[in-house]
Amino acid sequence: GAVVSQHPSRVICKSGTSVKIECRSLDFQATTMFWYRQFPKQSLMLMATSNEGSKATYEQGVEKDKFLINHASLTLSTLTVTSAHPEDSSFYICSARPPLGQGGYTFGSGTRLTVV
Amino acid sequence: AQSVTQLDSQVPVFEEAPVELRCNYSSSVSVYLFWYVQYPNQGLQLLLKYLSGSTLVKGINGFEAEFNKSQTSFHLRKPSVHISDTAEYFCAVSDGANNLFFGTGTRLTVIP
Repeated sequence: GAVVSQHPSRVICKSGTSVKIECRSLDFQATTMFWYRQFPKQSLMLMATSNEGSKATYEQGVEKDKFLINHASLTLSTLTVTSAHPEDSSFYICSARPPLGQGGYTFGSGTRLTVV
Repeated sequence: AQSVTQLDSQVPVFEEAPVELRCNYSSSVSVYLFWYVQYPNQGLQLLLKYLSGSTLVKGINGFEAEFNKSQTSFHLRKPSVHISDTAEYFCAVSDGANNLFFGTGTRLTVIP
């Protein structure tokens, strides 16, 4: 089945540094990928929609300059958290939908970011 | 616009007992419905999905859900839970485009 690989699974970084998270579709091409953030005890919140070869579409309230998204190929999207702060600590998950309208979104395994 | 309501934020249940996790949705168009499970410190895993056809959908790990259009519900059930079923469960609805809306999740805790 369709597989999405997300890396790293855990990362700890110092405040003020940047962290890059990768999301790869392993056996299918994804023109669109999605980045979610999960706050403690809350549901997933869509941050942005990543479109191959064009600018990402950000949800209201998400800072574009802080959460940089790059979708340079049909199998890779990256999320870079720039100048990270402790409040950016969260669980970030990417997803993609396989082609042919199968309807089932496939999710990465998530990245636990801790900013100290 | 679509929205999803999971009324129960936490559901404790004894091992081997049955469980039902409720999910209601609102939508003005045809929908696709999903249940995802998230184990501690892991990403989401698809349990089952309803796209069309039979309203009773069987998924992995012994779970099933029934699509009820008149009640706009898609409740998740399992006749006998195990300790390993302890996790967060998310109901989601899609309009068939690239939009996927999640409920707030239900924490299922299975008690030995």
